[in-house]
Amino acid sequence: GNSVTQMEGPVTLSEEAFLTINCTYTATGYPSLFWYVQYPGEGLQLLLKATKADDKGSNKGFEATYRKETTSFHLEKGSVQVSDSAVYFCALMGNNNDMRFGAGTRLTVKP
Amino acid sequence: DTGVSQDPRHKITKRGQNVTFRCDPISEHNRLYWYRQTLGQGPEFLTYFQNEAQLEKSRLLSDRFSAERPKGSFSTLEIQRTEQGDSAMYLCASSEAFSGWIFGPGTRLTVT
Repeated sequence: GNSVTQMEGPVTLSEEAFLTINCTYTATGYPSLFWYVQYPGEGLQLLLKATKADDKGSNKGFEATYRKETTSFHLEKGSVQVSDSAVYFCALMGNNNDMRFGAGTRLTVKP
Repeated sequence: DTGVSQDPRHKITKRGQNVTFRCDPISEHNRLYWYRQTLGQGPEFLTYFQNEAQLEKSRLLSDRFSAERPKGSFSTLEIQRTEQGDSAMYLCASSEAFSGWIFGPGTRLTVT
């Protein structure tokens, strides 16, 4: 079945550091890929998405490119801020509209 | 419409009691999902409605759990005879077609 594997956390970075959170997936067909962010005490918010191979999703300085050849959707940001501290979830939606989430990666950014 | 809302935000109950949660989706969204999230884990699918029809249920949804979506608008999730293992965050999300889902803030359940 469809599944998502995320880089284990926690990840601790200094402000303005470069961020990469790895995400790989297993799926049949042509899934859509998402990154969601969850700030402390809040629900999940859609950060970015990509619906087909080679698409790049971007939002708030974050980017992720849908790589079919490596079945990956790694999240990147060139310069993180303290306000980016949150838990990040990679997710996949298959042809049957079933959304699968990774376990989440907790990011802490220190000033 | 300010997004997906859930009520209550927090619920503490004693083992064996019944609890009911409510989700109000974005009004034009015809799909509604319930997920459960435990600490340190990603959300796990529970069930899914398209309009008022419950189209899919996870094996995680034991016979103590029931969900409804009368009239295809708000949805309720009821847990009967709660157990400590039911303690989790219960998330609701709504969507229209394959556009990505909008999540509510969740209901945190603590069973003592």
